[in-house]
Amino acid sequence: EVQLVESGGGVVRPGGSLRLSCAASGFSFDDYGMSWVRQVPGKGLEWVSGINWNGGSTGYADSVKGRFTISRDNAKNSLYLQMNSLRVEDTALYHCARVAADCSGNSCYIDYWGQGTLVAVSS
Amino acid sequence: QLVLTQSPSASASLGASVKLTCTLRSGHSSYAIAWHQQQPEKGPRYLMKLNSDGSHSKGDGIPDRFSGSSSGAERYLTISSLQSDDEADYYCQTWGSGIQGVFGGGTKLTVL
Repeated sequence: EVQLVESGGGVVRPGGSLRLSCAASGFSFDDYGMSWVRQVPGKGLEWVSGINWNGGSTGYADSVKGRFTISRDNAKNSLYLQMNSLRVEDTALYHCARVAADCSGNSCYIDYWGQGTLVAVSS
Repeated sequence: QLVLTQSPSASASLGASVKLTCTLRSGHSSYAIAWHQQQPEKGPRYLMKLNSDGSHSKGDGIPDRFSGSSSGAERYLTISSLQSDDEADYYCQTWGSGIQGVFGGGTKLTVL
């Protein structure tokens, strides 16, 4: 059974930093691209960042580019999101998500989701 | 810019069918999308991948009541024999150049 379990959320002041982790199990982690998706309570889903199977390629939403860094450790079956210079508008539930194996060009999609970890940025 | 447009809300009666729409911005009508369901107070769940020709592949355990179809730049999710737990938010998702995910704004489905 595919499982994605996020951790590392919490309350942080504006300008602060936080590192999210996602522990993956139930599949060959190093065969899949991964993404982070966030959701402000009561609002829609926003794709934040993605990484390919070996960490050689990454992508970011414009809203987080230059502040957030995605990485992975395939030996530990883990995905990370380093969040720096946090803003109040980064407050959200952050989901770890697996990108389907048949991802190719514009035909990529998420096929499994974690439950999320809550990040609250407040003074 | 790659954009997905969804109606904010939809409603249908228990036992009836409903068709939700996701529209790709002009110039991207060949793109595949995925449909995801988010029930109240739960995490999202992948429903299906939907190609531009209407072929689709569903996630594990997704019932036959859920189906997809396509026409031009529009991608549809049809839910038949509506049940109360189909009341949820439905999101479409696609992928831009390189590593760039995109979500539609979501449709809140109410089962009457």
